[in-house]
Amino acid sequence: AQTVTQSQPEMSVQEAETVTLSCTYDTSESDYYLFWYKQPPSRQMILVIRQEAYKQQNATENRFSVNFQKAAKSFSLKISDSQLGDAAMYFCAYRGPQGGSEKLVFGKGTKLTVNP
Amino acid sequence: GAVVSQHPSWVICKSGTSVKIECRSLDFQATTMFWYRQFPKQSLMLMATSNEGSKATYEQGVEKDKFLINHASLTLSTLTVTSAHPEDSSFYICSARDHYGYTFGSGTRLTVV
Repeated sequence: AQTVTQSQPEMSVQEAETVTLSCTYDTSESDYYLFWYKQPPSRQMILVIRQEAYKQQNATENRFSVNFQKAAKSFSLKISDSQLGDAAMYFCAYRGPQGGSEKLVFGKGTKLTVNP
Repeated sequence: GAVVSQHPSWVICKSGTSVKIECRSLDFQATTMFWYRQFPKQSLMLMATSNEGSKATYEQGVEKDKFLINHASLTLSTLTVTSAHPEDSSFYICSARDHYGYTFGSGTRLTVV
């Protein structure tokens, strides 16, 4: 079964600095999807970024970018110019290939604190 | 973007009663919806996958007779917690697959007293 591991239960960063959240996963598939979701104190799950495994180019969304290392099964999230509003739980998630299970497999999450 | 509306946002019910939670996709059709449970400071735990027009698929260990899921239309899925007990108190979240990924509802805080 696929598993997603987030090895950092908590991280902190100074406002305006850069932080990287780690995520590794285990799968035997070659085609799959990876996601980072943010859950602020409101508990609303918000999609931060999505990566398709067949795309070698790392996804980027404004201040958020990923380092996708397919061979290493690593999918880290970099947040640049951190803002107070970035404080939240961040969940890494895996979804298998099209035509297979549509379930998301989540990691345990990383709590990010942004210090002013 | 895609929006999923979940109601109610919070509910308090007496032990032994049933409570229904609704999850609607507002601007897209959702053939598949997912129901999660989240304990404090923990990740999301998938309870079941809801498919429009067919029976839900429950994850191992989830009581299908306690957590009734209905997905009668392409925009609405409901979760009914039957004969609720205090141990069912939790945060429940629904999600729908959209064209880009997955959109989540805002969650329902259930407290059983």
